[in-house]
Amino acid sequence: AQTVTQSQPEMSVQEAETVTLSCTYDTSESDYYLFWYKQPPSRQMILVIRQEAYKQQNATENRFSVNFQKAAKSFSLKISDSQLGDAAMYFCAYGETSYDKVIFGPGTSLSVIP
Amino acid sequence: DTGVSQNPRHKITKRGQNVTFRCDPISEHNRLYWYRQTLGQGPEFLTYFQNEAQLEKSRLLSDRFSAERPKGSFSTLEIQRTEQGDSAMYLCASSPTTGLNTEAFFGQGTRLTVV
Repeated sequence: AQTVTQSQPEMSVQEAETVTLSCTYDTSESDYYLFWYKQPPSRQMILVIRQEAYKQQNATENRFSVNFQKAAKSFSLKISDSQLGDAAMYFCAYGETSYDKVIFGPGTSLSVIP
Repeated sequence: DTGVSQNPRHKITKRGQNVTFRCDPISEHNRLYWYRQTLGQGPEFLTYFQNEAQLEKSRLLSDRFSAERPKGSFSTLEIQRTEQGDSAMYLCASSPTTGLNTEAFFGQGTRLTVV
């Protein structure tokens, strides 16, 4: 069965600094998607960034970028120039193209220190 | 239409009672998903619909759980004979098409507390 692991339950970063959140996953599939979702306190989950496994180029969205290492089954999220609004739970997630549903990791709680 | 709407936002019920939650997806989104999220965990997939058809149910969804999407628009999730272990946040999400290359939009969830 596919699993998603996030080994950092909590992380903190100084405002304007850079932080990297780790994620590993397990699958025997070769074609799949990986996601990072953000869940602010008492607010709905939103998609931060998405990576397609067949694409070698790492995805970027403004201050958010990923380091996708397919062989190592690693998918980390880098947040540059951290802002107070980045404080949230961050979930790494995996999806199979044939199933169209998403499996989430346990999450990392990110605090941003002013 | 500003997003996925879930009602109620909070529900407290006594053990053994039945509860029903509603999800209104973004208009014309034909995919609708239900997830359950317990404290300190990521969301767990429960079930999803393509229009009015329920395509998959997780083994987490016991016989006490039932979901419907009668006209392919809003959906309801009913829990019968609630147990304390049912206490969780129930999340609904919708997406415009099939495939993971489209974004799923989440609602704010319904927090269920069984006492």
